[in-house]
Amino acid sequence: GQNIDQPTEMTATEGAIVQINCTYQTSGFNGLFWYQQHAGEAPTFLSYNVLDGLEEKGRFSSFLSRSKGYSYLLLKELQMKDSASYLCAVYNTNAGKSTFGDGTTLTVKP
Amino acid sequence: DSGVTQTPKHLITATGQRVTLRCSPRSGDLSVYWYQQSLDQGLQFLIQYYNGEERAKGNILERFSAQQFPDLHSELNLSSLELGDSALYFCASSGGTGTTEAFFGQGTRLTVV
Repeated sequence: GQNIDQPTEMTATEGAIVQINCTYQTSGFNGLFWYQQHAGEAPTFLSYNVLDGLEEKGRFSSFLSRSKGYSYLLLKELQMKDSASYLCAVYNTNAGKSTFGDGTTLTVKP
Repeated sequence: DSGVTQTPKHLITATGQRVTLRCSPRSGDLSVYWYQQSLDQGLQFLIQYYNGEERAKGNILERFSAQQFPDLHSELNLSSLELGDSALYFCASSGGTGTTEAFFGQGTRLTVV
């Protein structure tokens, strides 16, 4: 089976940097996704890591350590519109599917 | 616009009834996934189809069933509905079997009264 853990809620200030962690336990790991979901809307893809290291994409970066079963999403220069839920999802080759964590609700305050 | 179309957007029905949710994947995508998201909860994987064949199954209730047709659109059938089935149902599609990002439709909000 798979177990994915993310903090339930986080709060940060506009303009600041925030790191959202995700830990997982799985067999047959073959990639980790991060999605952003605004309330009542569809999740949208942010990043995909399959190898160890940091992937940078504008204000967002994602890091993966396969040996530690750990990933984080780093959001820089926070904007109010970044207030959303951030979902970590792990693709398991053995199961043939991605499993989502319950998401971290980020609130950005002025 | 993700390119994934779900209909209807909203559905209100009574307990015990049966409904069908429809999903058209992005052009060229072979995989279709169905997820359930109850209020303030995470995405729960229901089922995945790849090119017409069932590929993976999550904790989908026996009252629920799905299929993917030759034109790759998919339908999720929910029967003997209960109040607890009220949720957002998302469909997603991807080009491969899971190692590429999924594109989500806007969801169908089902309310069972």
